[in-house]
Amino acid sequence: DIQMTQSPSTLSVSVGDRVTITCRASQSISDWLAWYQQKPGKAPKLLIYKASNLESGVPSRFSGSGSGTAFTLTLSSLQPDDFATYYCQQYNSYPRTFGQGTKLEIK
Amino acid sequence: EVQLVESGGGLIQPGGSLRLSCAASGFIVSSNYMSWVRQAPGKGLEWVSVIYRGGNTDYADSVKGRFTISTDNSKNTVHLQMNSLRVGDTAVYYCARDGYAALDVWGQGTTVTVS
Repeated sequence: DIQMTQSPSTLSVSVGDRVTITCRASQSISDWLAWYQQKPGKAPKLLIYKASNLESGVPSRFSGSGSGTAFTLTLSSLQPDDFATYYCQQYNSYPRTFGQGTKLEIK
Repeated sequence: EVQLVESGGGLIQPGGSLRLSCAASGFIVSSNYMSWVRQAPGKGLEWVSVIYRGGNTDYADSVKGRFTISTDNSKNTVHLQMNSLRVGDTAVYYCARDGYAALDVWGQGTTVTVS
């Protein structure tokens, strides 16, 4: 199975901050990497697919990059609605595997 | 509108069985890969199972031999039959469309409590 390692686990940030979350795969997954946002009590929401493709309707302040084993999710200017938990997920192969999540907290 | 709606969760004793359902609208289930993903209380996301377009299936090791995924094409619905349930299966279960754009459509989730 491909292991996904996200960092950091928690990030204390303020509105307007630039935020970067890192995800590493235990082996190459090309660009088969997705990012999700999840708020308490809600289903995850797809933000980015194929490492850098913005899902329809997702604000342009979200961006993704990377290939192979190293990936990043960047929020250019954090908004109040962005406080949530973020997960990366590889879909190069089954079983699909997720990172452990990064929770954005208000500083 | 593209939508998934899960049902069938509940409280069940260890060793019991439950069948979850996921009704799709706005797209055809049998033309897509469909996955189930679960989330234990306070924990991260765990992929559980997939059914491919041709009907083949795959499972996480943690549920292999106990869970069965299937589709009812007449109802455009995906099912997850869960047998020999364990306390560790307690989670919110989500179904999701699984394809080129990863898990791009999710249901609202249904809660399974094994106790």
